Amino acid sequence: SQTIHQWPATLVQPVGSPLSLECTVEGTSNPNLYWYRQAAGRGLQLLFYSVGIGQISSEVPQNLSASRPQDRQFILSSKKLLLSDSGFYLCAWNRDSNQPLHFGDGSRLSIL
Amino acid sequence: GESVGLHLPTLSVQEGDNSIINCAYSNSASDYFIWYKQESGKGPQFIIDIRSNMDKRQGQRVTVLLNKTVKHLSLQIAATQPGDSAVYFCAGLYGQNFVFGPGTRLSVLP
Repeated sequence: SQTIHQWPATLVQPVGSPLSLECTVEGTSNPNLYWYRQAAGRGLQLLFYSVGIGQISSEVPQNLSASRPQDRQFILSSKKLLLSDSGFYLCAWNRDSNQPLHFGDGSRLSIL
Repeated sequence: GESVGLHLPTLSVQEGDNSIINCAYSNSASDYFIWYKQESGKGPQFIIDIRSNMDKRQGQRVTVLLNKTVKHLSLQIAATQPGDSAVYFCAGLYGQNFVFGPGTRLSVLP
């Protein structure tokens, strides 16, 4: 069966510090991978998606970037965090774009 | 742009009763919808999906209804249990990506 792992689960960082959130998927190959941000009372906002190694599409301009160094690894990064980057970040995968998304348990990022 | 939204941000139901959570969408271009359940501190969990060539689909204790005429989607949970307490999201596929509603928080009263 397929599993998806995100880490760290929680992170407290000062403004201006770098960020790296990691996501890996097991039990499948060549998945589509996604990063979402979830704000309270609002729907999930798609940040990045990837259909293959090194292929990244960005949905919104922001202070964040994504990379896919391996088939089942997706990384969310920032060189300098802003207060507005605080939030709950979710990684997800699916086999094809018209298949259900399967989510990890998220990473809660607090910026001080 | 496309939007997917829920009618009520919160819903309280007596244990054992049926729950109905509603969702409306703005653009009929989507042909695939999903309901998710999210418990506190966890990621959304897939419940059930439906494609636009169907009006109804049933799972274990859950039923999804799709009314394309009025662009409305609903999730029915039969015999609601305390473990059903969570936030429920609908999502519609537009192009290659899903658009999510803000969620309804379901509280099950003893």
